[in-house]
Amino acid sequence: ETGVTQTPRHLVMGMTNKKSLKCEQHLGHNAMYWYKQSAKKPLELMFVYSLEERVENNSVPSRFSPECPNSSHLFLHLHTLQPEDSALYLCASSQVSYRDHNEQFFGPGTRLTVL
Amino acid sequence: LAKTTQPISMDSYEGQEVNITCSHNNIATNDYITWYQQFPSQGPRFIIQGYKTKVTNEVASLFIPADRKSSTLSLPRVSLSDTAVYYCLVGPNDYKLSFGAGTTVTVRA
Repeated sequence: ETGVTQTPRHLVMGMTNKKSLKCEQHLGHNAMYWYKQSAKKPLELMFVYSLEERVENNSVPSRFSPECPNSSHLFLHLHTLQPEDSALYLCASSQVSYRDHNEQFFGPGTRLTVL
Repeated sequence: LAKTTQPISMDSYEGQEVNITCSHNNIATNDYITWYQQFPSQGPRFIIQGYKTKVTNEVASLFIPADRKSSTLSLPRVSLSDTAVYYCLVGPNDYKLSFGAGTTVTVRA
């Protein structure tokens, strides 16, 4: 266990559904991340929250919406997804700002399937 | 952002040493080199990090030459459970950071 938990572990949804992915870190870290990993593709950084700053990858479509209510919790809200959004969604956290060279701790991921 | 290049795949046998070299020709002065390991359907796991020369921990060693334009991750005496994808990252982290394709290491009995 890495100290980063994600729920649900598996999610199947239709293109018209709205769902949310949840991540929680128990490490006292100050930065949290969402990554997407499609089959046989590299991990893609989607969003970063660090000390109340949000940074996003401009290539991420608006149907993905992150929320970080506090330093321990991170959500990814999903709406009107497309089948190509099916992937493993990984949450990670690090001790200090993402701008520093610090170790990231990853959760087990949510396997999302969009029908 | 420093771009990294590493082999797509490597094969080895149990008990052998595996060395994975990562090229990062445009590494910046304040960049560190970090390696992660990922098993299927799991999140990556930190292995080792270094800035220059040699770093060793209980899992691996990291060799970085003086020019820092490359680095080599060394896994001593691998076992079947070391079969995974290994990623080389250079930075501070940046919102554009990508793990790249990684190196798939397959260890055979």
